[in-house]
Amino acid sequence: DIQMTQSPSSLSASVGDRVTITCRASQSISNYLNWYQQKPGKAPKLLIYAASSLQSGVPSRFSASGSGTDFTLTISSLQPEDFATYYCQQSYSTPYTFGQGTKLEIK
Amino acid sequence: QVQLVQSGAEVKKPGASVKVSCKASGYTFTSYYMHWVRQAPGQGLEWMGIINPSGGTTSYAQKFQGRVTMTRDTSTSTVYMELSSLRSEDTAVYYCARGSVYYGSGSSSIAFDCWGQGTLVTVSS
Repeated sequence: DIQMTQSPSSLSASVGDRVTITCRASQSISNYLNWYQQKPGKAPKLLIYAASSLQSGVPSRFSASGSGTDFTLTISSLQPEDFATYYCQQSYSTPYTFGQGTKLEIK
Repeated sequence: QVQLVQSGAEVKKPGASVKVSCKASGYTFTSYYMHWVRQAPGQGLEWMGIINPSGGTTSYAQKFQGRVTMTRDTSTSTVYMELSSLRSEDTAVYYCARGSVYYGSGSSSIAFDCWGQGTLVTVSS
């Protein structure tokens, strides 16, 4: 199975900050990497697919990049509604594994 | 609009089975694969398997092989996930998620673009 490792596991930031979350795959996955946002008690929401493509309806302050084994998700200017947990997921091969999550908290 | 509506919470005893349903609407049911993902309390997301609603073919994560069965009913646009021999570690929220294929330059990618609301399954004696 492909292991996905996110860093950091948690992050404190303020409204307006720029934040970056990193995801590393245990082997090359080309650009088969997705990012999801999950708020407490809710289902995950797709933000980014194919490593860098913004899902329809997602604000442009979210961006992502990477290929191979190293990927990043960036939020350019944090808004109050962005405080949540973020997961990366590889769709290169089954089982489609997720990272352990990065909890973004208000400082 | 695209919607996945799951069945309600369940409480089961160890050794029992549970069957969770996921009813799709707002799109052509047989055109998208459906995945199941679970999340234990306070934990991350775990992919369980996939079903092709068109032909009914399935693929399961090795961890769940022999214990999980995914089926579908095209007449009601519903997929089902049954997990047997339940143990306390199976206590989790179970989600169905639609797998969409995104086509780029020379390749395609799968992502879960619509999720059910989740079904809490509690396994307790």
